[in-house]
Amino acid sequence: EDQVTQSPEALRLQEGESSSLNCSYTVSGLRGLFWYRQDPGKGPEFLFTLYSAGEEKEKERLKATLTKKESFLHITAPKPEDSATYLCAVRGYGQNFVFGPGTRLSVLP
Amino acid sequence: ETGVTQSPTHLIKTRGQQVTLRCSSQSGHNTVSWYQQALGQGPQFIFQYYREEENGRGNFPPRFSGLQFPNYSSELNVNALELDDSALYLCASRTRGGEGWGFQETQYFGPGTRLLVL
Repeated sequence: EDQVTQSPEALRLQEGESSSLNCSYTVSGLRGLFWYRQDPGKGPEFLFTLYSAGEEKEKERLKATLTKKESFLHITAPKPEDSATYLCAVRGYGQNFVFGPGTRLSVLP
Repeated sequence: ETGVTQSPTHLIKTRGQQVTLRCSSQSGHNTVSWYQQALGQGPQFIFQYYREEENGRGNFPPRFSGLQFPNYSSELNVNALELDDSALYLCASRTRGGEGWGFQETQYFGPGTRLLVL
C-alpha cells in the first residue's frame, strides 16, 4: 500500500530563516511526487512534480529535491506570505494520488 | 487560476439528507478525481473518473457516487449524510494519456466545497 508521511507536523520560522520540510514515501513504482501549497479553506495549489531520484526543481524561494525514499522542500529566506500548509503526494502504478497529512508553516515577520 | 471550478462554495445539510456537489474541469482534461479533506488532514481519495467511467476508488462506502459528463463537468453525490461527512470536498482534473505515457499527469485542484452536516 502506498504511504506518505510528512515532518514536521508544524513549523514556525522567523522571516529570513531558511529550513526544510520532509516527505517520506513508500510506493509501488513511482510515477510522480507532487508538492502542493494550501491556504486555509482553499484548494491545493500546484508547486512541483518530480519524477526520478536526483531531480530538483525551483520556484522563487522554494526548491524541491527527490531521493528514492523521500523528498525535501527547501525554503530559502521565507517571507510571511509563504505561510501555508504544504502537502506532498505520490502516484504509483495505481490510479490514485496518495497525500500526506501536510506541514503547517508559519513565517513570522 | 487552475481552470477548475466547484459549486457551491459552502453547503449545510442535516443528517440523512442527500447532497450533490459539482465540478467543472479544464477543457481537455479527461480525468477527474474527488477528494475528502477533514480539518487538519491531507486530502483522502474518494474516486476517479476517466472518460465518464469510474476507474479507481478509495476506501469510501457506496453511498458516495459520481458522474462525469462529456463537457468536462462532474458530480459527487453523497446519500444518507452522516456527521463525519463534514469536510472540504475537492475535485482535481488532469489529462491522462494512457498507461505508457504517464509523465505529464499533474492534477489541478478546484477551490473546494465546504460541507457541514448537522
